[in-house]
This record gives sequence, C-alpha cells and structure tokens, in this order.
Amino acid sequence: DIVMTQSPDSLAVSLGERATINCKSSQSVLDSSNNKNYLTWYQQKPGQPPKQLIYWASTRESGVPDRFSGSGSGTDFTLTISSLQAEDVAVYYCQQYYSTPLTFGPGTKVDIK
Amino acid sequence: EVQVVESGGGLVQPGGSLRLSCAASGFTFSSHWMNWVRQAPGKGLEWVANINQDGSEQYYVDSVKGRSTISRDNAKNSLYLQMNSLRAEDTAVYYCARGRTGSSGWIMDVWGQGTTVTVSS
Repeated sequence: DIVMTQSPDSLAVSLGERATINCKSSQSVLDSSNNKNYLTWYQQKPGQPPKQLIYWASTRESGVPDRFSGSGSGTDFTLTISSLQAEDVAVYYCQQYYSTPLTFGPGTKVDIK
Repeated sequence: EVQVVESGGGLVQPGGSLRLSCAASGFTFSSHWMNWVRQAPGKGLEWVANINQDGSEQYYVDSVKGRSTISRDNAKNSLYLQMNSLRAEDTAVYYCARGRTGSSGWIMDVWGQGTTVTVSS
C-alpha cells in the first residue's frame, strides 16, 4: 500500500498570507507512460463532505479559486494557498489514486492566526 | 444538478449487517466509477471500496475485504455497500463519491453528505 504523510499537522496563518501544506507518498505516484502524477487534494470544512480542489497534482478543479495551487512530482507534493481567506479554514487532505487501496494523508488543519 | 445521496446508515450491534445505498442524479451514472469512503468520528478519510462502470471490477481496503460487497444497479442509478460482521471500528460517516470520467476514473469529484453507521451494543 502507498502510505501518504502530510506536514505540518496544523498551521495558523494570518489573513492574506501564504499557507503551504506538504504531502509525501511512500512510493512514486508518477506514471512515466503519461507523465502524470496521480495525486489529488481535498478541502473539508466542519460538518461537510470533502471538496476536490486539485487533481493530477496541479490541475485546479473548475470553480476553485486561483489562490489554490498544487505542485510537485514523484513522491513530494505541495498545496499552496497564496492569500488565505477566512473561508479557507478547513482540513486539507492529499490522496493518491495511482493504485488501490486509494490512500489519503492524515490531513492538515488550517486556521487563522 | 449533479448529486449523490446516501442512505441506510443507523445503529447496529457488533456482528450485524447493514446495506448502504447511494442514489445518483444529474449525470450518466453508468459512465462513472463509484466509491465509498468513510470517516470515523474525529478522524481522517479512509477509502473503502470502488466499482467500475459495469460492475465487473471491484476493489476494497483490506479492513473490509471479505466482510463487505460493493455493487451497483445502473438501471436504478444506484450504488450499494453491503456490510456484514460489523465491528466497532466500522463506526463512521460513509460517503458515496463519484469518479471522474475517462482515464481519471479514480479521482473522486462529487461527494454526498454521508450516512452515519454506528456499531455498538
């Protein structure tokens, strides 16, 4: 199984400042045949289901604000919120879809400082 | 509107069974992989199982393998999860999630609100 880890566990950022969340997979999720990274990011607010933000590591889902961006390749990935807004307070999860079982990171909680 | 709506959760005793359902609408159900994902109280997300468009392929997380069966009825636009021999550690909110079309079928882009399963005596 591919194990996903995230850092930090939580972070507090001032409004308008940058938030950076790291995700690491225990093995590469890059498919060399198509040069795609099988990595997605979700946002989950309290009492709500997860919402997809990013897939293929860096493709923003339709309707997701452009302050959210994803980067990385192979085993190391980053979700960046360029200018934190109050509505971005949530837990963020990375997930690999390279192989089953599909696995999630433990989550990173983002709060306002 | 594209949506999936789960039902069938409830309180069940250890060793009991439950069948979860997911009703899909607003999209061509038979064109999508479908998934079940769960979240124990205060915990993170755990993928449980998925099934391909015609039901010929299913995959499970080890912790439910042999105890649970995912199935679908494309004529009824419905997804199911039959869970047997339930344990306390199966207590969770169970989400139904749609896979994207095409080669990205394992990307979960539409999620329901979830149905709660509580296993307790």
